[in-house]
Amino acid sequence: AQRVTQPEKLLSVFKGAPVELKCNYSYSGSPELFWYVQYSRQRLQLLLRHISRESIKGFTADLNKGETSFHLKKPFAQEEDSAMYYCALSGFDPMDSSYKLIFGSGTRLLVRP
Amino acid sequence: DGGITQSPKYLFRKEGQNVTLSCEQNLNHDAMYWYRQDPGQGLRLIYYSQIVNDFQKGDIAEGYSVSREKKESFPLTVTSAQKNPTAFYLCASKYGYGYTFGSGTRLTVV
Repeated sequence: AQRVTQPEKLLSVFKGAPVELKCNYSYSGSPELFWYVQYSRQRLQLLLRHISRESIKGFTADLNKGETSFHLKKPFAQEEDSAMYYCALSGFDPMDSSYKLIFGSGTRLLVRP
Repeated sequence: DGGITQSPKYLFRKEGQNVTLSCEQNLNHDAMYWYRQDPGQGLRLIYYSQIVNDFQKGDIAEGYSVSREKKESFPLTVTSAQKNPTAFYLCASKYGYGYTFGSGTRLTVV
């Protein structure tokens, strides 16, 4: 079964400090992993996905298959990074031949001035 | 302007009434999904549909029903059997490796 775990409900850091939002997953095949961000009163939006290996707004995430992790990192946090962050996994379920996107429970990042 | 439209943005219903949330997309995407978002619990999958006239239960399907009569539309009905229907509901569709989300409907049952 697909599962995504984000162990931290809240992460509070000061501006300029490094940030790491943890994400671990469980999936038997080759997963597609994503980070989504939801700013206050805004639509859920894609931050980055592992397949593109890009850096968005200074955030990066590396897929570690050995540790089944996809942690989100940023070397210097900014106040505008304060938001809700969701790690998500898209995988093929052979039981019903479908793709599903499963989310973690989310981590609220609070960047203090 | 392509995208997913969810309507209405806010919905109020009396306890015991069924209510249907609309989700329409003009992106020509085959797969569509319904999620429920609650504080501290993230987004949980309610129902999903890979093609027209086909859909499957997600992790929390009890008390909900869907239909997929047209590719563009995937309405969600919250029935009176759903014990705690007050929540934020998100619709999504899939393209290639990515997903597109609607702006959501906040349902409040009083």
